[in-house]
Amino acid sequence: DAKTTQPTSMDCAEGRAANLPCNHSTISGNEYVYWYRQIHSQGPQYIIHGLKNNETNEMASLIITEDRKSSTLILPHATLRDTAVYYCIASSGYALNFGKGTSLLVTP
Amino acid sequence: DSGVTQTPKHLITATGQRVTLRCSPRSGDLSVYWYQQSLDQGLQFLIQYYNGEERAKGNILERFSAQQFPDLHSELNLSSLELGDSALYFCASSNYMTSGRNYEQFFGPGTRLTVL
Repeated sequence: DAKTTQPTSMDCAEGRAANLPCNHSTISGNEYVYWYRQIHSQGPQYIIHGLKNNETNEMASLIITEDRKSSTLILPHATLRDTAVYYCIASSGYALNFGKGTSLLVTP
Repeated sequence: DSGVTQTPKHLITATGQRVTLRCSPRSGDLSVYWYQQSLDQGLQFLIQYYNGEERAKGNILERFSAQQFPDLHSELNLSSLELGDSALYFCASSNYMTSGRNYEQFFGPGTRLTVL
């Protein structure tokens, strides 16, 4: 699976959009981009995934560049409960190889 | 609540001992995954089972073993425990697609293992 690179930490004001970038420049054609988050020491929670096209669900939007070398997770209106570690994962198969993720702090 | 249950929540034991962690997947999910999260290694994939059979292996030590039973629950056995095995152990389940994709994994609350 391709290696992903994310900023270590980010801040966002409550109510604003949180844009979390991820670099996956070596991603191969059959690898999906997944985003999960982990709040404190709870089990990780699935957010969204995509292959080539931009995706949106009730939690977030995923924007994947045309060359698929990077992506951005967008939380449109961040709340304090969105404070968590966000993981971007490129995977073609079964296992999810979590990296260090981005620690997002949403402030009042 | 993801629908995945793990027992026990906490486990404290001594070096050299053996423990068993249990996981019940979401109703209908045939695939079970085990992950280890430690402070220095982060969240690592250990092993996956699908309908009772081992499907994929990650960084699982030889001292560790797992199995999935006919009722689909899974157990992770850790033996000859060392201080470094202290970690959070998560189980996840998914509705495994025939294509091999696991689009969404549902994680349990984890078992915190402390080896003294």
